[in-house]
Amino acid sequence: GAGVSQSPSNKVTEKGKDVELRCDPISGHTALYWYRQSLGQGLEFLIYFQGNSAPDKSGLPSDRFSAERTGGSVSTLTIQRTQQEDSAVYLCASSLALGGLGIQYFGAGTRLSVL
Amino acid sequence: AQSVTQLDSQVPVFEEAPVELRCNYSSSVSVYLFWYVQYPNQGLQLLLKYLSGSTLVESINGFEAEFNKSQTSFHLRKPSVHISDTAEYFCAVTPGSGAGSYQLTFGKGTKLSVIP
Repeated sequence: GAGVSQSPSNKVTEKGKDVELRCDPISGHTALYWYRQSLGQGLEFLIYFQGNSAPDKSGLPSDRFSAERTGGSVSTLTIQRTQQEDSAVYLCASSLALGGLGIQYFGAGTRLSVL
Repeated sequence: AQSVTQLDSQVPVFEEAPVELRCNYSSSVSVYLFWYVQYPNQGLQLLLKYLSGSTLVESINGFEAEFNKSQTSFHLRKPSVHISDTAEYFCAVTPGSGAGSYQLTFGKGTKLSVIP
């Protein structure tokens, strides 16, 4: 595709429900990243996928958060038993190469509101 | 670990005036530096980057930033701003190599408001 695509753009859910956020990276990009943007914490790294390697999950805030990347392309971020503090914009990015030379291109994000 | 400090959360400036958005970073290793811009209801867009070489880097829309290693700064400047520059600007760093050399660490952002 032309850019990183995220869906839904907005998601409102009730506390305790599970949610799934989807990211479709730029075609051919091997690296995929999830970040969270919240008022209190700014932009935080969550998880990183590179090819078939084990993902770097070091930024996931709790075991309620998980992510997978199927077939090296589309990724899904799942939040179980959502809490109000999970309310944020979840941004996905992809890049062609590793490290700082792999410029990260961001999607428009999914705005999650937990009531 | 790296950290980024953007000293100003909001910067109002009149149209056609110059602006400087400040960014300082902390790192025990060499880093790559980036400025991203976020327009309302949009994702982050890369504005410019410093990887190596000349310490002065420029974007296509008139912004420039200078890497100053001794002051650990990467301030963003534009000599004359336009209304369309109204947005939030994020400074980010990533290690040049080694562990986490893909993980961007962002500052808290600076909201630039251009006043007609």
